[in-house]
Amino acid sequence: DTGVSQDPRHKITKRGQNVTFRCDPISEHNRLYWYRQTLGQGPEFLTYFQNEAQLEKSRLLSDRFSAERPKGSFSTLEIQRTEQGDSAMYLCASSLEGEPYEQYFGPGTRLTVT
Amino acid sequence: RKEVEQDPGPFNVPEGATVAFNCTYSNSASQSFFWYRQDCRKEPKLLMSVYSSGNEDGRFTAQLNRASQYISLLIRDSKLSDSATYLCVVISWSASKIIFGSGTRLSIRP
Repeated sequence: DTGVSQDPRHKITKRGQNVTFRCDPISEHNRLYWYRQTLGQGPEFLTYFQNEAQLEKSRLLSDRFSAERPKGSFSTLEIQRTEQGDSAMYLCASSLEGEPYEQYFGPGTRLTVT
Repeated sequence: RKEVEQDPGPFNVPEGATVAFNCTYSNSASQSFFWYRQDCRKEPKLLMSVYSSGNEDGRFTAQLNRASQYISLLIRDSKLSDSATYLCVVISWSASKIIFGSGTRLSIRP
């Protein structure tokens, strides 16, 4: 399977703990995106990378969230000091650089903060 | 007012019917537009890119109306398998804004 993969698929953590998610994009895609989705809403943009450069970070992303893509391949999203409001599906997508920038999503990581 | 708005539905239509959804956006500088479908508890899957000239893929037709700032999706001869939530995405690369609508739920009944 050469699609976008995410790990883990599910994560349950206690409030205050740190969590890290991984995303492996489609191999030839140099753009990688992170989103958060809650029930009944569309995905909410968090950040995106072109190769290893983080080009944009949503103002909605608090200082507790950080993302990296050190070698321009896989990416990690870390949430520090998790809160119950962080419970959501975290989706990763990738695209080629250039029109039409069609994004392909991974299966997501479902985070539950207790 | 939300930057991207969709009628949440649900749209409940019989199999074989034609159904259309709109998605309005407020940023006139928006450059890229897409439709995704999302099944319950699954990731969004790309359905179509939306071009100024409109585009068609089988039973699906997407249109862009820049003057009125909306995109549309038309589904002809609807199938039971078309039941899903349909999400529009509006992107302004110059502003690095990627905004999904909240989705329109479609339910096709036999």
